[in-house]
Formats: sequence, C-alpha cells, structure tokens
Amino acid sequence: QSALTQPASVSGSPGQSITISCTGTSGDVGDYDVVSWYQQHPGKAPKLMLYEVTKRPSGVSDRFTGSKSGNTASLTISGLRADDEADYYCSSYAGHTNYVFGSGTSVTVL
Amino acid sequence: QVQLQQSGPGLVKPSETLSLTCTVSGDSFKSYYWSWIRQRPGKGLEWLGYIFHSASPSYNPSLKTRVTISVDTSKNQVSLNLTSVTAADTAVYYCASTEGGLFEYFHYWGQGTLVTVST
Repeated sequence: QSALTQPASVSGSPGQSITISCTGTSGDVGDYDVVSWYQQHPGKAPKLMLYEVTKRPSGVSDRFTGSKSGNTASLTISGLRADDEADYYCSSYAGHTNYVFGSGTSVTVL
Repeated sequence: QVQLQQSGPGLVKPSETLSLTCTVSGDSFKSYYWSWIRQRPGKGLEWLGYIFHSASPSYNPSLKTRVTISVDTSKNQVSLNLTSVTAADTAVYYCASTEGGLFEYFHYWGQGTLVTVST
C-alpha cells in the first residue's frame, strides 16, 4: 500500500491561512470518508487534529478544518500561529483492514 | 483522560525479536482497540496492526508474517513482538487508541519508544 501524497512543505505568515492536500486513490481516500489528520512537533508523538474528514476532537482549535473531494482530502489552518509549525500527516482506511498514512508535510510559519 | 505508557528495550540485535509493552491507565482498556504504529527515521508513519481485548488482532499485510500483537487484560497492557528484525526496523514505535467505525483514527498516543536495530 503506497503512502498518501502530501506536499513536502507549506509555509505561511502569522494570521494567514494555509491548506495541505492529501491525495490517495479510489481504494482509500476516495472510497471512505474517514480521513484523519495529525500534528507532530519534533520529538513528540502525533496529535489527532481531525477525524472522519471534518470532525475535531475536544480541545482542538476551530482554526483547523478539513474537507474532501474525490481522492484528495485537505487540511486548512486559519489564523496561522507560531505554534502551528510542525509536521502534519493525513491517514485513511485503505480497505481489507489496512490503514495508510500520508508522506507528511512540514509547515513553516514565516 | 486515557494515558499510555510504553516500555521496552531501545536496542535490539539483528535477527532477534523486538518486544514492546504499552500500559493503559484508567478504566478505558476494554473500551478501545489498540494499535501499534511506527515511524522510521525521517519517514512517515506506518500502521503495524491492532487488537481488541476480546478479538483476534489484525495486521498490516506487509508485516503480517513477523508481527504479533497481544493483550494482558489483567495488567491493561498491549504488547508488540516483531521477529527477525533488521536495520530497516529501526524506528520510533508508538501505541495508540484506535477509534471510529472502521477503527481508522488514532486518538491517544504513547510517548514513543526509539528502537535501534544494531549489533
């Protein structure tokens, strides 16, 4: 199972909005509305930011929003802040009890 | 709040078995599926498999022949065994709660254990 495709890096200035894409196939992202997103700061465990494409766990800021169209899911961070600088990974069910993660995107706050 | 504490050796010799344990605090152990996920140096995340306390585990097809995940409900522990390790198995290993209708998202994570495969 190949990793989902994400841009290697995305950057933005404080207060701006950025969007990270996550492209899969009809066998994973396209077939299931269960994309999740994780934020990972250096040396730390990933943190769940969104699940089932658009849902936020308790405690996650509403600056983080998700969407999906066809085989591509997206994470948008609005009102970019310095502590949003981290790596972000998407994930999806890939059928046959298998799960696939994205290649990861490094977000830089300029 | 669900808390996960991982334990196990940080160094394993090639061809030997990697063994890690994840201890879950509180009363949530029987409420969730539990996954093991790894992250190789400078790489992305890879799901290894999951287990529920009263069901058979499921594994990543690419590692199925080498991975075993088990539970000890008396200790609220989930264990990972990975046999015949090579340098390619050097990674940070995480345990995580697994939720959703397709058990597709990973909510609570352990602190991670860096396992290096080397002589």
